[in-house]
Amino acid sequence: GEDVEQSLFLSVREGDSSVINCTYTDSSSTYLYWYKQEPGAGLQLLTYIFSNMDMKQDQRLTVLLNKKDKHLSLRIADTQTGDSAIYFCAEITSSNTGKLIFGQGTTLQVKP
Amino acid sequence: DADVTQTPRNRITKTGKRIMLECSQTKGHDRMYWYRQDPGLGLRLIYYSFDVKDINKGEISDGYSVSRQAQAKFSLSLESAIPNQTALYFCATSEQAGGSKRDTQYFGPGTRLTVL
Repeated sequence: GEDVEQSLFLSVREGDSSVINCTYTDSSSTYLYWYKQEPGAGLQLLTYIFSNMDMKQDQRLTVLLNKKDKHLSLRIADTQTGDSAIYFCAEITSSNTGKLIFGQGTTLQVKP
Repeated sequence: DADVTQTPRNRITKTGKRIMLECSQTKGHDRMYWYRQDPGLGLRLIYYSFDVKDINKGEISDGYSVSRQAQAKFSLSLESAIPNQTALYFCATSEQAGGSKRDTQYFGPGTRLTVL
């Protein structure tokens, strides 16, 4: 079945890099997404990667996709206190009807 | 102005009451979705609609109903609210669904519902 797993919590110091990891089970994934949820707010689309790509970079964000291991990661360079939030990974597969399968979310805590 | 809006943003109600949560979008998207978020569980799909005449159940539709009044409006109803429906509810839209960039979903700010 379809399943997306994330670790629940990550703590880093301001200025360090953060790496948030995600694993998924459905090999027919087409697009994989990272969403950010700040306290009391909705979900903001951060970035996405198509399944035929290995890497995507967007300013401080780097997404790595290992399709063989079904592993996705989000690296945030020079993490700032404003990056403190919950980060969700999600997938859409070609076999479903546009349904997003979400992970549980990783809470990123950035210490000054 | 926000592309996807939800009303109300917060609601406290009592067990047994009927509640309607509303979602409007100005993105011109055909697809709309309702999710609920519970701590540690991520988001789970309640209902989705691919156009005004096409409504489908998601993984947790029991106790909920929906109405797609127009392309831009999608409402979620709790006919008789119960405490375990206390959650954060999100509406989302997408241009299409079929394995392309246009599947990308855009979310509203959420409605926090508390059922006492």
